[in-house]
Amino acid sequence: EDQVTQSPEALRLQEGESSSLNCSYTVSGLRGLFWYRQDPGKGPEFLFTLYSAGEEKEKERLKATLTKKESFLHITAPKPEDSATYLCAVQATGGFKTIFGAGTRLFVK
Amino acid sequence: DTGVSQDPRHKITKRGQNVTFRCDPISEHNRLYWYRQTLGQGPEFLTYFQNEAQLEKSRLLSDRFSAERPKGSFSTLEIQRTEQGDSAMYLCASSFRQGYMNTEAFFGQGTRLTVV
Repeated sequence: EDQVTQSPEALRLQEGESSSLNCSYTVSGLRGLFWYRQDPGKGPEFLFTLYSAGEEKEKERLKATLTKKESFLHITAPKPEDSATYLCAVQATGGFKTIFGAGTRLFVK
Repeated sequence: DTGVSQDPRHKITKRGQNVTFRCDPISEHNRLYWYRQTLGQGPEFLTYFQNEAQLEKSRLLSDRFSAERPKGSFSTLEIQRTEQGDSAMYLCASSFRQGYMNTEAFFGQGTRLTVV
């Protein structure tokens, strides 16, 4: 069964303290892996799509990487406005649905 | 605003009542998804449309749930005989299929349902 597991569940960082969020996935065939940011009471906001192992994408203080089994979202020198829940999702070949992990709640103080 | 629009944003209903939510996707997007999200969890897939055709429906979706997308434009999600367990955020997303690749999905702000 296709599955996405994110760790840690919550992460507290000091402003400027870089760290990484992990997304482990099990899927029969990967069509794409997505990262979203979600603020409380709002819908997820798209950040990145990764399609194949070795691919990397960057946006401001965020960098997403992909291997055959997991993806990392690296946050460099975070600011308080980066506080949010970060969701990882995969879409498998042969289907249409996107499977989400439970998310990592990031707090930057 | 050309994003995904959902209506209403909040709905409080009594157990046993029927409710209907509306989603207006980004105009050029031919794919539309419905998800349900409870506190502390990621969005859970409910159903998917390509144009007006409903191509996949989660087995978690009971027969009290029905979705339509007439003419491949807006979509409605109806829940009949609501139960307290239906309380959640209902999210709509849309995307555009380009060849083999599916572009990223853009989400609306969701409809928060509370069943009392």
